[in-house]
Amino acid sequence: NAGVTQTPKFQVLKTGQSMTLQCAQDMNHEYMSWYRQDPGMGLRLIHYSVGAGITDQGEVPNGYNVSRSTTEDFPLRLLSAAPSQTSVYFCASSMGQASYEQYFGPGTRLTVT
Amino acid sequence: QQQVKQSPQSLIVQKGGISIINCAYENTAFDYFPWYQQFPGKGPALLIAIRPDVSEKKEGRFTISFNKSAKQFSLHIMDSQPGDSATYFCAASTRPLHNDMRFGAGTRLTVKP
Repeated sequence: NAGVTQTPKFQVLKTGQSMTLQCAQDMNHEYMSWYRQDPGMGLRLIHYSVGAGITDQGEVPNGYNVSRSTTEDFPLRLLSAAPSQTSVYFCASSMGQASYEQYFGPGTRLTVT
Repeated sequence: QQQVKQSPQSLIVQKGGISIINCAYENTAFDYFPWYQQFPGKGPALLIAIRPDVSEKKEGRFTISFNKSAKQFSLHIMDSQPGDSATYFCAASTRPLHNDMRFGAGTRLTVKP
């Protein structure tokens, strides 16, 4: 199993550009989440999904969109990138009710200039 | 408003010593308290977790102590090793959805040989 994979590993955007961060898992996990990690602030939840076709907002959803058309994939879209979105983004998945353990991907480091 | 406060920010311990990281939370509805370990360039990985119905949980050299009345919990790393050098995050949530999970700001641990 590859676990949770994320692409790209690094990305530089100009203000106003849009892009999609990819996340995939091969563990047949129900729950998937997107977090951002900023220095001195830990991780903060952006959006999450409890299954294909079901998504909801987390703590800091503004400026981001998600969709979940399959169990495996959970892409994160930045609609119009802003410097405040410079961060490291992590995708995570878990079995859901059967287990509380979240598995994190390796992260995408995004810089918005 | 930070719902989970973690201290210290950084910690230096000699090999063989005990590392202690503390967290305090505000929301009394939290009922799941995990600790994550993160190495540079990697995603966080679950280290150990506790529910509030027990006051202590031990896994190998890692122990969580939990004080429900004080709304505090801590991670103890016994016989600390250079390989334990990483950033540690505490977190808290109310349910396995993780949609309300709040992370501490992190502690950078350095274990000197």
